[in-house]
Amino acid sequence: AQKITQTQPGMFVQEKEAVTLDCTYDTSDPSYGLFWYKQPSSGEMIFLIYQGSYDQQNATEGRYSLNFQKARKSANLVISASQLGDSAMYFCAMREAFPSGGYQKVTFGTGTKLQVIP
Amino acid sequence: DGGITQSPKYLFRKEGQNVTLSCEQNLNHDAMYWYRQDPGQGLRLIYYSQIVNDFQKGDIAEGYSVSREKKESFPLTVTSAQKNPTAFYLCASSIGWGQENMNTEAFFGQGTRLTVV
Repeated sequence: AQKITQTQPGMFVQEKEAVTLDCTYDTSDPSYGLFWYKQPSSGEMIFLIYQGSYDQQNATEGRYSLNFQKARKSANLVISASQLGDSAMYFCAMREAFPSGGYQKVTFGTGTKLQVIP
Repeated sequence: DGGITQSPKYLFRKEGQNVTLSCEQNLNHDAMYWYRQDPGQGLRLIYYSQIVNDFQKGDIAEGYSVSREKKESFPLTVTSAQKNPTAFYLCASSIGWGQENMNTEAFFGQGTRLTVV
């Protein structure tokens, strides 16, 4: 079963508008971390924002915010005031510990390709 | 500067040959990971390691092997048993593996693009 699901293969947004990229996750571990990364065409992975499973408030980092709905197991990324440089692939990822503790792994979704239109 | 270095950036391999991708980090991170990315696809976990001399299979380990003899190095060998090795390979590392480090992100190298010719 998919641990991280991103249902939007591609999205378009007008420059200066806000856009929401969807992410749902599946875990039985009470302690986990959720991350969003940006991957430009160059291939590098750029960390954007983090949300912990015990965090009470939604995370924000500049123009990025994370709409965390724990009961629904969703962690959507909101980009406000889109810029042309935001055009890239965006990946949602989850870090979780195995039930036995200790080992952790980070799994990624299939990504959403965002294109910002001038 | 601290970071993760992957080499080479581009690699060509003949069918039937093994090839080793290098990954070195000077961030003093305990955990290291290898991912494979196919065009337009997400990242799939190949292997990961939490400590020296120990590593675990990820979701697509068949046809790959790794070693972790030093904390800073985590080389990936793509063997001839990997039927479709052409892909973009990303190495990553992160701090520790305790609960207190759950909020730390993984840092990535620049990737190696492997092509079978």
